[in-house]
Amino acid sequence: DGGITQSPKYLFRKEGQNVTLSCEQNLNHDAMYWYRQDPGQGLRLIYYSQIVNDFQKGDIAEGYSVSREKKESFPLTVTSAQKNPTAFYLCASSPWTVVEGYTFGSGTRLTVV
Amino acid sequence: AQSVTQLGSHVSVSEGALVLLRCNYSSSVPPYLFWYVQYPNQGLQLLLKYTTGATLVKGINGFEAEFKKSETSFHLTKPSAHMSDAAEYFCAVSDSGAGGTSYGKLTFGQGTILTVHP
Repeated sequence: DGGITQSPKYLFRKEGQNVTLSCEQNLNHDAMYWYRQDPGQGLRLIYYSQIVNDFQKGDIAEGYSVSREKKESFPLTVTSAQKNPTAFYLCASSPWTVVEGYTFGSGTRLTVV
Repeated sequence: AQSVTQLGSHVSVSEGALVLLRCNYSSSVPPYLFWYVQYPNQGLQLLLKYTTGATLVKGINGFEAEFKKSETSFHLTKPSAHMSDAAEYFCAVSDSGAGGTSYGKLTFGQGTILTVHP
């Protein structure tokens, strides 16, 4: 079955460390997205990519970085510059025209310890 | 640019009662509209969508929504709430518009948490 896989489900980071969250899809979707979710704040867009080797900043890109070297993969790195990284991170993908909406992964919960 | 407003961050109903979650949008082009549901510590799951055609759309788990262009609304309803409906619900609008030939991105509302009491 086609889908989108995020790993790990839970991740713990020490202060000052960079961590990378994985997102892989086998839906042949062109576009991929990263969102951050905090209680009461809805979904906030971090980065998105429409095609391989290209990506754009979303509303809260500071302290994060991404790459899109393959159509199937869109990893997110949370750098030490992100001052408050504890949150639930969601990856999504869609065809070019979003007629079918987005398909979401099951999320990664990142906690700073 | 499009926007979405979900009226009420929390809605509480009794089991068996009508569920009504409100969503209003703004868009400069004919919109695509979506409702998603999220259970705790999970991703979002598509409930239903409106793209073109019939304005009353039916989705999974007995939910339905009606696109009302004159009111710029896309409210979600379910005739009889079940305990398993307790979750957070998100409305979303796309800027892709009718025709669907151009790239589109979804804008999400802030979410409504639905609580169902026995």
